[in-house]
Amino acid sequence: DTAVSQTPKYLVTQMGNDKSIKCEQNLGHDTMYWYKQDSKKFLKIMFSYNNKELIINETVPNRFSPKSPDKAHLNLHINSLELGDSAVYFCASSQDREWNNEQFFGPGTRLTVL
Amino acid sequence: AQSVTQLGSHVSVSEGALVLLRCNYSSSVPPYLFWYVQYPNQGLQLLLKYTSAATLVKGINGFEAEFKKSETSFHLTKPSAHMSDAAEYFCAVKAGFQKLVFGTGTRLLVSP
Repeated sequence: DTAVSQTPKYLVTQMGNDKSIKCEQNLGHDTMYWYKQDSKKFLKIMFSYNNKELIINETVPNRFSPKSPDKAHLNLHINSLELGDSAVYFCASSQDREWNNEQFFGPGTRLTVL
Repeated sequence: AQSVTQLGSHVSVSEGALVLLRCNYSSSVPPYLFWYVQYPNQGLQLLLKYTSAATLVKGINGFEAEFKKSETSFHLTKPSAHMSDAAEYFCAVKAGFQKLVFGTGTRLLVSP
């Protein structure tokens, strides 16, 4: 009964490849997010989707493309992977409440680009 | 723009000692503040949140935080550290609808 799940947990790939990370939440939330955590543990939001609509799109290279087939899923596709893309990527979800924004995080996907 | 600053990238305590992790916020509106914990190789888990209902907020695992507007602070405390508290702790502030801004994190080290 995992609330927010991500696959794969680990991803090792070569520079220039294209890869995808999948995220699913079973909490019935309306909003989903992608975060990037670098080697110094700094956590930065990349995207958020609300009911399949892109809401937040931070300064992220357009090699990164999120896709939300339905409000329970938010996938992240990365083209032409670079060494600097190595990081841990977290998916999260939350319910729409103006006064609150408690987010529930997935276990993370550790991406290593060689 | 809303932001948070966590003082100290590492905090070391002995088991049984007081834990104090510092967080100061900057916000042009009454803030909503959060503390999250990240155990090794895991995702973030909510410890507690401040939503203006009470200035002293109690969370899970014996942690609590006090909102002090005069000091723009939201420090996290626990009276007695346990080995299992060793983790990375993140302070966060709501920064617009559906957006959280996180601090740089503080690693808590607990020695026997």
